Amino acid sequence: DSGVTQTPKHLITATGQRVTLRCSPRSGDLSVYWYQQSLDQGLQFLIQYYNGEERAKGNILERFSAQQFPDLHSELNLSSLELGDSALYFCASSVENWGAPNEQFFGPGTRLTVL
Amino acid sequence: AQSVSQHNHHVILSEAASLELGCNYSYGGTVNLFWYVQYPGQHLQLLLKYFSGDPLVKGIKGFEAEFIKSKFSFNLRKPSVQWSDTAEYFCAVNRRFGNEKLTFGTGTRLTIIP
Repeated sequence: DSGVTQTPKHLITATGQRVTLRCSPRSGDLSVYWYQQSLDQGLQFLIQYYNGEERAKGNILERFSAQQFPDLHSELNLSSLELGDSALYFCASSVENWGAPNEQFFGPGTRLTVL
Repeated sequence: AQSVSQHNHHVILSEAASLELGCNYSYGGTVNLFWYVQYPGQHLQLLLKYFSGDPLVKGIKGFEAEFIKSKFSFNLRKPSVQWSDTAEYFCAVNRRFGNEKLTFGTGTRLTIIP
């Protein structure tokens, strides 16, 4: 158990719908990262938040957005869903250790199926 | 931009065989290197990591990896695999400092035959 929690575990929805994925980082971790794992794209970085602020953006579609709340949990919002959005969405967290490298701890993921 | 190559897409071995999975990265600066394992239906777990120092790093479950800077490689090894090692293995890299995103390779699916 990494200490990172994600809900829900599974989500089945229809095209055109909107869903919200939730992530709670490890206690004390200020950084949250979202990754998407799909068969055709592999594991890809979507977005990173640090202490409530967006820090970095990867291959995140405009239909997707995220935020990090004052209690440090994060939500990934996916809208106007398409079949191709079906994937496993992972959240990871890391402690901020300025001047030293650190590792990211991954949550169990949310499997999204768009029908 | 960083990139990671894992040339072995699917490896099939018998139990007790030795394992080596290749990983090469492309990046001009100093990096951190990681191997993650994903068992069927499960999340990513860290096998081992290299930040600096001894280029031969040991991880969990008897795995080790060697960082060869001149070859931009970080190959994963295990002298004797078990059926329970059946999983997908991902190599990943990020910049040494800055708490940055991980760039993953495409993964290697390892199947161990009892």
